[in-house]
Amino acid sequence: QQPVQSPQAVILREGEDAVINCSSSKALYSVHWYRQKHGEAPVFLMILLKGGEQKGHDKISASFNEKKQQSSLYLTASQLSYSGTYFCGTVNFGNEKLTFGTGTRLTIIP
Amino acid sequence: GAGVSQSPRYKVAKRGQDVALRCDPISGHVSLFWYQQALGQGPEFLTYFQNEAQLDKSGLPSDRFFAERPEGSVSTLKIQRTQQEDSAVYLCASSRGEGRGQPQHFGDGTRLSIL
Repeated sequence: QQPVQSPQAVILREGEDAVINCSSSKALYSVHWYRQKHGEAPVFLMILLKGGEQKGHDKISASFNEKKQQSSLYLTASQLSYSGTYFCGTVNFGNEKLTFGTGTRLTIIP
Repeated sequence: GAGVSQSPRYKVAKRGQDVALRCDPISGHVSLFWYQQALGQGPEFLTYFQNEAQLDKSGLPSDRFFAERPEGSVSTLKIQRTQQEDSAVYLCASSRGEGRGQPQHFGDGTRLSIL
């Protein structure tokens, strides 16, 4: 079943922060985060493999709560280049299939 | 190559025609995935290869869809007797090892339009 993301869409002013949540109904082996701009390929942001793991680079970070089967993506001091649709992708135990979430459209305005 | 390469970028076909979409993964990448992305939706898994072995084809919508990767490198997704509902962007991704623990790197996709 498809992971559910929230919010569906968010509009921020440049410099503001955002949190995007991803929730699954199944136990997760890993969570992947991607950003996709209109007409372009999804671009890999980060992958989380362990419950409780937090990762980050630059001003984008993520956490993975294995027990709650949830992950959150944190964007701080947003830049115009952060605009796009963010997808989480989840992999369950026992297979390699990446199931993408419902997506969150992020718009950054100057 | 530097990235995943897909061809053609755009394909227009008449309903009932057969089409073939090509994916050239990053050199040395063991795993290869095909996804279908409808307008405004996230990518949906179609099939997965590890080297030349097709390990999961559970996402292929019907027996009109067929994928192969005979030498463990380039892959082709074939759609026979195309229908209008096949119109979508077809994305290919590759990863260094097993898909579940490795980042997947996507190509720019093939936009398929069935008239």
